[in-house]
Amino acid sequence: QSVLTQPPSVSGAPGQRVTISCTGSSSNIGAGYDVHWYQQLPGTAPKLLIYGNSNRPSGVPDRFSGSKSGTSASLAITGLQAEDEADYYCQSYDSSLSGSGVFGTGTKVTVL
Amino acid sequence: EVQLVESGGGLVQPGGSLRLSCAASGFTFSSYWMHWVRQAPGKGLVWVSRINSDGSSTSYADSVKGRFTISRDNAKNTLYLQMNSLRAEDTAVYYCARGPVGYYYMDVWGKGTTVTVSS
Repeated sequence: QSVLTQPPSVSGAPGQRVTISCTGSSSNIGAGYDVHWYQQLPGTAPKLLIYGNSNRPSGVPDRFSGSKSGTSASLAITGLQAEDEADYYCQSYDSSLSGSGVFGTGTKVTVL
Repeated sequence: EVQLVESGGGLVQPGGSLRLSCAASGFTFSSYWMHWVRQAPGKGLVWVSRINSDGSSTSYADSVKGRFTISRDNAKNTLYLQMNSLRAEDTAVYYCARGPVGYYYMDVWGKGTTVTVSS
């Protein structure tokens, strides 16, 4: 059971903007720990999309952006494209858990 | 090319053991933390374990603590996960992933190896 909660699904038409929320608590996001985001296309391994709340690795389109505020974070996808249809996961560190590299529950993005 | 290739997955009976390996290439393996992450069929990602760059520090999710052991051989550029006392709920695709020192995010992932625990 994850301590980072995401909506199970979001959808949008091509070209639209969608956002995915990641809600945590005072032991993870609210404690100031960074949030990272991954994209998992069907049948493939996850890929790092955003690190350190809002930084994009080389090669990730600037259509993807991340932000963090309080105990939550968000991933925004602007100019939605068919190839963006995938599962998206947030990740952070939680000081109340052993080990502690906790992932969010995951969000399926559907392009209508 | 930076690459991680997992191996060692398979079918094992409950209570059995398995050792996963992850061969790294294309980067200085000893300069990175390494992680194992798993994904049960149709489910989300779950962080399993982490090891620091020289192998002196490890951490585990509560669900595997005491049963799984992460290790690395920097001379062989290889990461390991020894899994003992396996349970049906350990059935998953296991990914190895690279992370920068001191951070819990993963910037390079392998394709995964499948572990099935069943009688």
